[in-house]
Amino acid sequence: NAGVTQTPKFQVLKTGQSMTLQCAQDMNHNSMYWYRQDPGMGLRLIYYSASEGTTDKGEVPNGYNVSRLNKREFSLRLESAAPSQTSVYFCASSGTGDTQYFGPGTRLTVL
Amino acid sequence: QKEVEQDPGPLSVPEGAIVSLNCTYSNSAFQYFMWYRQYSRKGPELLMYTYSSGNKEDGRFTAQVDKSSKYISLFIRDSQPSDSATYLCAMSEVGNKLVFGAGTILRVKS
Repeated sequence: NAGVTQTPKFQVLKTGQSMTLQCAQDMNHNSMYWYRQDPGMGLRLIYYSASEGTTDKGEVPNGYNVSRLNKREFSLRLESAAPSQTSVYFCASSGTGDTQYFGPGTRLTVL
Repeated sequence: QKEVEQDPGPLSVPEGAIVSLNCTYSNSAFQYFMWYRQYSRKGPELLMYTYSSGNKEDGRFTAQVDKSSKYISLFIRDSQPSDSATYLCAMSEVGNKLVFGAGTILRVKS
């Protein structure tokens, strides 16, 4: 089992450019999450999906959109990137309990 | 005031020391308490999971929850250089989303 995978690992964008971060899990989990991690701020929830076909806003959703493509895949889209979105992005998934399993992260720099 | 407070450190200890990491929280409805370990440039990985109050031990690691004081701790015995990482506490209400602390950087010197 690969667990939770994320692509790409690194990305540099210019202000105003768009991109999609991809996430997939092979643990048959219902719930999936997108977080951003900034120094001194811990992990902040951007969006989550409790099950296939549903998505909900987290703590910091502005500037992002998500798609739960199927049970395995949950993508995060930046329509018009801003320097404030420079961060490390983590995808996570969870099954019936509250334990979340994280991917390796995507390091995004917006110039 | 943040819902979960965690001293960012860094905490620097010699190899073999006992390490104590702590978090305080304000939401009395939290029932699930976790500790995640995050190595540099990696994703967080679950280290310990506790439901409600009490202690849980796993090898060199012990997690304690004191709900009356709204305080949780992670103890690491016989600390090793390989324990050097950022430790994140996380907690949730039943069926709700996790709330994370900011993380404590731990450095174990050989």
